[in-house]
Amino acid sequence: QKEVEQNSGPLSVPEGAIASLNCTYSDRGSQSFFWYRQYSGKSPELIMSIYSNGDKEDGRFTAQLNKASQYVSLLIRDSQPSDSATYLCAVFRGGANSKLTFGKGITLSVRP
Amino acid sequence: GAGVSQSPSNKVTEKGKDVELRCDPISGHTALYWYRQSLGQGLEFLIYFQGNSAPDKSGLPSDRFSAERTGGSVSTLTIQRTQQEDSAVYLCASSLTSVGGEQYFGPGTRLTVT
Repeated sequence: QKEVEQNSGPLSVPEGAIASLNCTYSDRGSQSFFWYRQYSGKSPELIMSIYSNGDKEDGRFTAQLNKASQYVSLLIRDSQPSDSATYLCAVFRGGANSKLTFGKGITLSVRP
Repeated sequence: GAGVSQSPSNKVTEKGKDVELRCDPISGHTALYWYRQSLGQGLEFLIYFQGNSAPDKSGLPSDRFSAERTGGSVSTLTIQRTQQEDSAVYLCASSLTSVGGEQYFGPGTRLTVT
């Protein structure tokens, strides 16, 4: 089982719709969870972080975490063409060998 | 404030040559990470520095790869005797501490080995 798994995509939604991006992880000791956005040819940009179960909202973005199900998701409301990018889920485990593990990412395309 | 900077932005080298890639982290960030991203692929962890502790080299793909971090700030990733499969974008990230994991990435160095 991959440590951090995302649906391969791509995901296409019409402008104004809700885009739902999902991620599962295998390490139950994981403590912190992140979503990065990566435009083509650019480096990843941190857009959301979540540390406890439940929802965290920031503008049009909502991150959801369910540690029991080892599941983290990102909802993008009122999707815009400028949201078209690859979204990377990342899971952090602290301790002596702290490590941030990335999923392979899912490409989102928002159709005007 | 200034973000993570990397140089050069692009590097083309001949197979067998050595290359050095530089990363300047965000001021005050104690943790520094190197990743590699091949075309269309995910991020591959290479090495991690935390303060003055011994680095975590568990991700380095071969002994041709090495990295150092001087004075707890600037880091250099060195690839010796480059091979074509080393062609990728090399990304550096820094975080305030190793706890929590919020990492901020530099623009990357695109390495092409011909």
